[in-house]
Order: sequence, then C-alpha cells, then structure tokens
Amino acid sequence: QKEVEQNSGPLSVPEGAIASLNCTYSDRGSQSFFWYRQYSGKSPELIMSIYSNGDKEDGRFTAQLNKASQYVSLLIRDSQPSDSATYLCAVNGGSNYKLTFGKGTLLTVNP
Amino acid sequence: GAVVSQHPSRVICKSGTSVKIECRSLDFQATTMFWYRQFPKKSLMLMATSNEGSKATYEQGVEKDKFLINHASLTLSTLTVTSAHPEDSSFYICSASGREAEAFFGQGTRLTVV
Repeated sequence: QKEVEQNSGPLSVPEGAIASLNCTYSDRGSQSFFWYRQYSGKSPELIMSIYSNGDKEDGRFTAQLNKASQYVSLLIRDSQPSDSATYLCAVNGGSNYKLTFGKGTLLTVNP
Repeated sequence: GAVVSQHPSRVICKSGTSVKIECRSLDFQATTMFWYRQFPKKSLMLMATSNEGSKATYEQGVEKDKFLINHASLTLSTLTVTSAHPEDSSFYICSASGREAEAFFGQGTRLTVV
C-alpha cells in the first residue's frame, strides 16, 4: 500500500524564520510531488509541484526532492502569520493522476 | 493555477433527502475528477475517482449506491448524496486534473443533515 508520511506537528516558528516541512513516501515509482496548503475550514490550495530531483523555488517557497531517499520537503522563508495552516504533501505515481496524501503538518507562525 | 468551481458551498438538508454537489473545471478540461470527504481536524479521505464518460471507481468502504457520481463531460462532475443521514454530514471536496498531474481543488461543500 502506498504511503505518505508527514510529521503531524504542530510545528511552531517565529515570524521571519524558516519553516521546514518534511515528507517521505513509500512508492519508489512515484513521479510527481505536490505541496498543498489548507486553511482551517477551507479546501486545499496547490502551492508547489516538483517532478525531478533537486530544488525548485517559487517566491518564499522552496521544494526539495530526493528520489533516492524517497523524501520531499518544503521550506518557507521569512515565515508570516498568514502562512499558519496545515500543509499537505501529495504524491502521484500512476497514470490516473490519483494522489496519495499525507495527513498534513500543522504550521503555526507566531508574530 | 487552474480554477475549479464547486457548488453549493454550504447546504443543510433534512434526513432522508438527497443532495447534489457540482464540480466544474472552468478553464481546462478535466480528464479525471476526484471526490473527497473530510471530517473536522482529520485528513482528506478519497471517496471515488471519476473519468469522463465512464463509471466512477469507488474506494473501499464507500457505498456507490449512496454516493452517486456522474462525470458527464470534461468540465463537470456531480456527487449526489442519496437518502442523507446525520452521519453523512461532512466537508465534501472535489478536485480535477487535466493533462498534467496537478490536481486543483474546488472550494468544498459543507453538508449538514438535520
């Protein structure tokens, strides 16, 4: 069974700090990796996608992928209180676009 | 990112009635749509996968006769909760994928059965 593991948190960081969110996955054949942000009571919002090993940067967000270690991470630089949310890691390995989600990490950024 | 519109955002219905939720991809053709439910402070639970023009594939434990899914076109999928009961009260969310593997979520529908 395909699994995606995340530390449930809560992860608490001060405003302006770097928040580091981690995710591991079990299916070595996985090809696509995503990070979603979900505010309480809202639906998930796609913030990053990454498909190849290495780093991908978009504004304050950097996704890192290491397929050999089956590990994907999300770094949030200059964290803001508005970044406080649950971050979901999602992995896709097949042709039917079905995503396997982790249970999410709750991030709290303290002013 | 792409836009997925889900309607209604909130619905209250009486026990025993049916409720239909619509999910539309507004600016792309959705090869595949997914339906999830989420209980408070819990993770997303995939209910079913639907492909345009074919029957939905339901996850284990999800009653296909209770949660009817129709994916009539590349831009529209509907979920009908039939004979709803209070235990069906939940947050239902659809997502849609196009040619890329990225999935975009609708706004979600909060269903309350009284």
